[in-house]
Amino acid sequence: QSALTQPASVSGSPGQSITISCTGTSNDVGGYNLVSWYQQFPGKVPKLLISDVSERPSGVSFRFSGSKSGNTASLTISGLQAADEADYYCSSYVDNGTLVFGGGTKLTVL
Amino acid sequence: QVQLVESGGASVKPGGSLRLSCAASGFSLSDYYMTWIRQAPGKGLEWVSYSSSSGETTYYADSVKGRFTISRDNAINSLYLQMNSLRADDTAVYYCVRVSRSWGFDYWGQGTLVTVSS
Repeated sequence: QSALTQPASVSGSPGQSITISCTGTSNDVGGYNLVSWYQQFPGKVPKLLISDVSERPSGVSFRFSGSKSGNTASLTISGLQAADEADYYCSSYVDNGTLVFGGGTKLTVL
Repeated sequence: QVQLVESGGASVKPGGSLRLSCAASGFSLSDYYMTWIRQAPGKGLEWVSYSSSSGETTYYADSVKGRFTISRDNAINSLYLQMNSLRADDTAVYYCVRVSRSWGFDYWGQGTLVTVSS
């Protein structure tokens, strides 16, 4: 069960757009549209941002969007705000019935 | 509103056992898959185990297979994680989490800390 690959860190300036990638294999990310994204602030509980690759739960800002191409899923945050500074994780269903997370990406707003 | 409240976290010696509990409210546990996810201090999220809505189907991460057992009592809306042969690398905050229809983790408890140390 290898973790999905995310960049350790990304950064951007307020108002910009940033994209966080999440790379897996055809056994997980590439094989199913069951990729989710989570936001976690220090000391806080993770929050679901995106499910089914690109679906936003009620209450999640439209500035967060998801997509997928092949074995790589992506989370895009547009109109970057200081309040978006957090850790972001992707997860995927795996064909052996298990689940897997990415290693996490720390977003810094410059 | 949906609430998940974990309990049972403690400090234990290597090789010891612990049972975590999760009390669910605001929804019927029997309608949802449930999962345990952990986070070691300063580290990322790690999926541990999940249980189907009936409890008949369970899956485990390789790191805990054979040592941990997930179970549930839908009659009292409770989820459990029996942890045996605990190791230092099991030290983490353990979250009880509801699984949505699309395998997203939509509701999280506040977590309970398990520390394994001699």
